[in-house]
Amino acid sequence: NAGVTQTPKFQVLKTGQSMTLQCAQDMNHNSMYWYRQDPGMGLRLIYYSASEGTTDKGEVPNGYNVSRLNKREFSLRLESAAPSQTSVYFCASSDQLGGSSGNTIYFGEGSWLTVV
Amino acid sequence: GQQVMQIPQYQHVQEGEDFTTYCNSSTTLSNIQWYKQRPGGHPVFLIQLVKSGEVKKQKRLTFQFGEAKKNSSLHITATQTTDVGTYFCAGKGPGGFKTIFGAGTRLFVKA
Repeated sequence: NAGVTQTPKFQVLKTGQSMTLQCAQDMNHNSMYWYRQDPGMGLRLIYYSASEGTTDKGEVPNGYNVSRLNKREFSLRLESAAPSQTSVYFCASSDQLGGSSGNTIYFGEGSWLTVV
Repeated sequence: GQQVMQIPQYQHVQEGEDFTTYCNSSTTLSNIQWYKQRPGGHPVFLIQLVKSGEVKKQKRLTFQFGEAKKNSSLHITATQTTDVGTYFCAGKGPGGFKTIFGAGTRLFVKA
């Protein structure tokens, strides 16, 4: 079981370039998330997908778009990268059945993005 | 909107000392979760508390959920260097979908 897999692990972009972060989970989870983590800011939710076919904005959606391609995959796109988007990005998933184990959020290993 | 505040932001301890981090929500929570993130790693689920006043233990870690379900704490007894990392609380409001994370407490342990 790989869990949550995200690529790339490291990326350097020039301002204005675009890129897509890929994420896939093999746990048959309904819900998927994209977070960014900046020093002293904790984890901030960018976008989430409660179930296949739906996506919603989180706390900091500006400058990003997402696609829930199928139940397994949830991608994050930066259309025109800005230095303020330099961060560590985490993809995550959860079952959301409502039971004690369904709420657990499983994280990928992170993608370190630098925009110069 | 719902906010989850966590203190302190940083804590330096000598190995063997105790450590506590506190989490407070602006609204009543349906559950609270705790995660640990090792330096350079990703957050990993530790535990979930659901009931008012609930206390759970995992070896040297003790987790509490307040009676009003608006606050929680994580206490580590006799810290070890392996406890180093950032501890996050994460709360979910009643009927809500999103889990909101606190900013985390980064623990440094000096051997």
